Amino acid sequence: QKEVEQNSGPLSVPEGAIASLNCTYSDRGSQSFFWYRQYSGKSPELIMSIYSNGDKEDGRFTAQLNKASQYVSLLIRDSQPSDSATYLCAVNQYNFNKFYFGSGTKLNVKP
Amino acid sequence: GAGVSQSPRYKVAKRGQDVALRCDPISGHVSLFWYQQALGQGPEFLTYFQNEAQLDKSGLPSDRFFAERPEGSVSTLKIQRTQQEDSAVYLCASSLGGRLAGAYNEQFFGPGTRLTVL
Repeated sequence: QKEVEQNSGPLSVPEGAIASLNCTYSDRGSQSFFWYRQYSGKSPELIMSIYSNGDKEDGRFTAQLNKASQYVSLLIRDSQPSDSATYLCAVNQYNFNKFYFGSGTKLNVKP
Repeated sequence: GAGVSQSPRYKVAKRGQDVALRCDPISGHVSLFWYQQALGQGPEFLTYFQNEAQLDKSGLPSDRFFAERPEGSVSTLKIQRTQQEDSAVYLCASSLGGRLAGAYNEQFFGPGTRLTVL
């Protein structure tokens, strides 16, 4: 079992719709959670970090964390074609500073 | 500097050749990480430095891989006797805090070095 699991997609949504990306993790000791966006041929770019249960909003992005279910999600409102990329979920334990990444979900936003 | 920089951006090596990949982290960042990313996969942890100390090297795939950060800033990842399976993108990331940094452990990535071993 991988530490972090993501559906590889592709997830296709029309422009203006809400895109919902999901991630599960196996280590209950994980304490910090991150979403990165990676365009083809580029390096990962940090979008959101979340550390406590609940929702965290930043512009069009909302990260949701449920530690009891070991589940993290990212919602992208008013999706734009420029949001088309692979979205990576990463988790970390403070004490070990080792980050585990999922394989990513490819998002296609159709004009 | 403004961001994490890596060099070279592209490296082609013949099998058996040694390579050295350089990473310049964001100024003042305590932590530095190396990752290996294969096509279609997420980054895989290789090693972690806090300042000049290499606190975790559990992800290095073999003893042909070696990393250092002698002055707590620039880091070099060296791969000896390269093999075809070493072909990947090598990413470096840095974060402000050290171990137990809690909320200051957001990582920022460099552009990566794409290594191709022929």
